[in-house]
Amino acid sequence: QSVLTQPPSVSAAPGQKVTISCSGSSSNVGNNYVSWYQHLPGTAPKLLIYDNNERPSGIPDRFSGSKSGTSATLGITGLQTGDEADYYCGTWDSSLGAGVFGGGTKLTVL
Amino acid sequence: EVQLVQSGAEVKKPGESLKISCKGSGYGFSSYWIGWVRQMPGKGLEWMGIIYPGDSNTRYSPSFQGQVTFSADKSISSAYLQWSSLKASDTAMYYCARFGGSTFSHHYFDYWGQGTLVTVSS
Repeated sequence: QSVLTQPPSVSAAPGQKVTISCSGSSSNVGNNYVSWYQHLPGTAPKLLIYDNNERPSGIPDRFSGSKSGTSATLGITGLQTGDEADYYCGTWDSSLGAGVFGGGTKLTVL
Repeated sequence: EVQLVQSGAEVKKPGESLKISCKGSGYGFSSYWIGWVRQMPGKGLEWMGIIYPGDSNTRYSPSFQGQVTFSADKSISSAYLQWSSLKASDTAMYYCARFGGSTFSHHYFDYWGQGTLVTVSS
């Protein structure tokens, strides 16, 4: 059972928008910065968002991040079939003194 | 170009020891924490811990404390994940990743290795 809670799956049609939530507590999301990762089968995870809403170089602006209180959200607009992947949020947990990931969300582009 | 290259897949028997590696290049290896992440078959990513190659300072997740050992050799830009006695439940893909944040609060892994598949079976 993950410290951070994500929906197991989300789906949307090509071209549409989807959001993925990441719910935590004051010891993790509430007082630390959130990052998001895309994980395609057979490949290494890729950083999509860091520091809640910053995109690394090369990540398209179709991907966005936000945070409010103890919850964070990843948004993906203009969905493409290539976006089908597992998405994970991550952050530091000050009580554990360690990092934590969410359980992951499988995105299906119908 | 920043790269993390991990050692190849391993097949081991329960009770055996194992050390897998992660070699960094294209940046100051000693100056960035390196993290280890487990993905068991069909499951999500799990944060195992991090090591600072500059002084081998480590932080373990409570779930992995005492189960594995991290080490690093900054002279050859390599980090290691080690088991003294493998169990079948250690079967998983293991990733190393560079911790890009300026502090632990700014937690993110910006570059990842390709993964090392460890299979433990009798």
